[in-house]
Amino acid sequence: NAGVTQTPKFQVLKTGQSMTLQCAQDMNHNSMYWYRQDPGMGLRLIYYSASEGTTDKGEVPNGYNVSRLNKREFSLRLESAAPSQTSVYFCASSEARFRNNQPQHFGDGTRLSIL
Amino acid sequence: AQTVTQSQPEMSVQEAETVTLSCTYDTSESDYYLFWYKQPPSRQMILVIRQEAYKQQNATENRFSVNFQKAAKSFSLKISDSQLGDAAMYFCAYGKTSGTYKYIFGTGTRLKVLA
Repeated sequence: NAGVTQTPKFQVLKTGQSMTLQCAQDMNHNSMYWYRQDPGMGLRLIYYSASEGTTDKGEVPNGYNVSRLNKREFSLRLESAAPSQTSVYFCASSEARFRNNQPQHFGDGTRLSIL
Repeated sequence: AQTVTQSQPEMSVQEAETVTLSCTYDTSESDYYLFWYKQPPSRQMILVIRQEAYKQQNATENRFSVNFQKAAKSFSLKISDSQLGDAAMYFCAYGKTSGTYKYIFGTGTRLKVLA
């Protein structure tokens, strides 16, 4: 019963390098999300995908791109990493039907450090 | 735009005592969901409890209960008989009932449990 799986769990990059964070869910959920968590700021939404084939910007999308590869997978790409992108990144998924109160399920996070 | 405010960056409670974590939110919607998530040092985001705005009754899950005051836009979490394992960051989150299920998170409250 894996739920939401994120890879890698830790990564150190140099400024300017590129990186793709992978996320896969096995719950047949329609919606998937990428958040970043910074001290004192809670979780902020970077991008989300309401359903397969759609993606939309969240609160802090600059410097990131996403791909909803299929219903299971939603990747987050940093094209040119900057120290300001040092953070813990969480992927989440949810059923997201009308009036469905199913919560978001989270992966274990990726700690990313940009030097 | 919706906002979620957790005004207590840190709280402490003696083991076996009761503690209440505060959360206020701002929205013009009449129907929405509210959630409390727990994040222990392992970094996992664990759903603690959820409340649907159209329900008058406060949600309860074992030692965890909420005090939902819709008019005041307040959603506090009460933890009874606190245990050492309750020590964690607690995040309040707001979710819409229509469209995509994006969450708005508060900045979190760190709960310390004293033996």
